[in-house]
Amino acid sequence: GESVGLHLPTLSVQEGDNSIINCAYSNSASDYFIWYKQESGKGPQFIIDIRSNMDKRQGQRVTVLLNKTVKHLSLQIAATQPGDSAVYFCAENPENYGGATNKLIFGTGTLLAVQP
Amino acid sequence: KAGVTQTPRYLIKTRGQQVTLSCSPISGHRSVSWYQQTPGQGLQFLFEYFSETQRNKGNFPGRFSGRQFSNSRSEMNVSTLELGDSALYLCASRPGTSSFNEQFFGPGTRLTVL
Repeated sequence: GESVGLHLPTLSVQEGDNSIINCAYSNSASDYFIWYKQESGKGPQFIIDIRSNMDKRQGQRVTVLLNKTVKHLSLQIAATQPGDSAVYFCAENPENYGGATNKLIFGTGTLLAVQP
Repeated sequence: KAGVTQTPRYLIKTRGQQVTLSCSPISGHRSVSWYQQTPGQGLQFLFEYFSETQRNKGNFPGRFSGRQFSNSRSEMNVSTLELGDSALYLCASRPGTSSFNEQFFGPGTRLTVL
């Protein structure tokens, strides 16, 4: 698909297992983080977000963990399904201006391959 | 509600030509951002518009420009196309200008420069 780079890290999991996708972000001033899922031929789709004043947020089957000390973000997907197969991107908003802009910096992406 | 729409979906141009891509945001959304996605560079921010004003710009040459109309629809233009401009161009909209608003992406326009 359009979103897959030449050297994307790949995570291969069995259907039903839990998946953990990791991301290191660059700017300690970033105040907002988002995980996106991109399937082949489609634009990125919002999964879950977290603000810098939190360290954990849960959604439906997904959990995002934020460790500001080491500038690390992770996405946990419970009971991974074949439909979860896609490229996953983390994104940070480095503009800590109280919401003045929405310039996102995206990570390189991780390809999640779910084996049935 | 209809999602973000982008036209055309696919485009083939030759070096030196110019191209205009169009984006219609979700109804009620006033902020539109553009991103370029390539296998080598990933997703990179181009610019953001709100109320017909450019609010922020990424690190792209002046050949890349954009605008927003009073109905929030946006266009981006690339002049004097180069082979390296081949990419998926994504448009995203959000309701306002808060950094805590989720962005909604369109399907993209696949530009191929020959």
